Amino acid sequence: ENVLTQSPATVSLSPGERATLSCRASRSVGSTYLTWYQQKPGQAPRLLIYAISERAAGVPDRFSGSGSGTDFTLTITRLEPEDFAVYYCQQHASWPITFGGGSKVEV
Amino acid sequence: QVQLVESGGGVVQPGGSLRLSCAASGFTFSTYAMHWVRQAPGRGLEWLAVILKDGRTTREFYTDSVQGRFTISRDNSHNTLSLQMDNLRPDDTGLYYCVRDAVDTHMANWFDPWGQGTLVTVSS
Repeated sequence: ENVLTQSPATVSLSPGERATLSCRASRSVGSTYLTWYQQKPGQAPRLLIYAISERAAGVPDRFSGSGSGTDFTLTITRLEPEDFAVYYCQQHASWPITFGGGSKVEV
Repeated sequence: QVQLVESGGGVVQPGGSLRLSCAASGFTFSTYAMHWVRQAPGRGLEWLAVILKDGRTTREFYTDSVQGRFTISRDNSHNTLSLQMDNLRPDDTGLYYCVRDAVDTHMANWFDPWGQGTLVTVSS
């Protein structure tokens, strides 16, 4: 299976700062098959970014995704209080569908 | 609006069985692939299975850890997704999410939206 490794596992930042989260795949996922989700405590995950860089409906433009092949990045410019959460990447280039272990953005 | 409501979770002994259900509303259920994803307590996400029924053709895929023990099914006439779980193990404990594929008519295999989940605990 395609193993996704996210880093850092936890990052401590302040509101207004920039967050850069990494997702590395053990095999290429091409230029399309990478998705990001946000999960807040006690809530289900929420779609954030699909097709590597496309923001889902209602997602603010401070969130952006980039990358290709095996290395991907989720960037949050100017963290807002509601952005402190866990972020997961997911690949769907090959079976089984797999998720990364998550990156927690904390205050 | 789109709504996914899971039910059927509970406490079961190792080796036991449980059937989860997901009631879908607010969209044309029959045209979307549907998935189950779980999350062990305090842990990350694990995709389990997907099903798409197109006319008389049904396609299902499973992750290795549940292949042969879990069976995904759907009833398009009642907008219901199910997950039959047999031979349960303690490491099957977790919150089970019903999830809709983000794109209709085929398996795009990214997820939007998610239900709120139903908790399964496998313990003696």
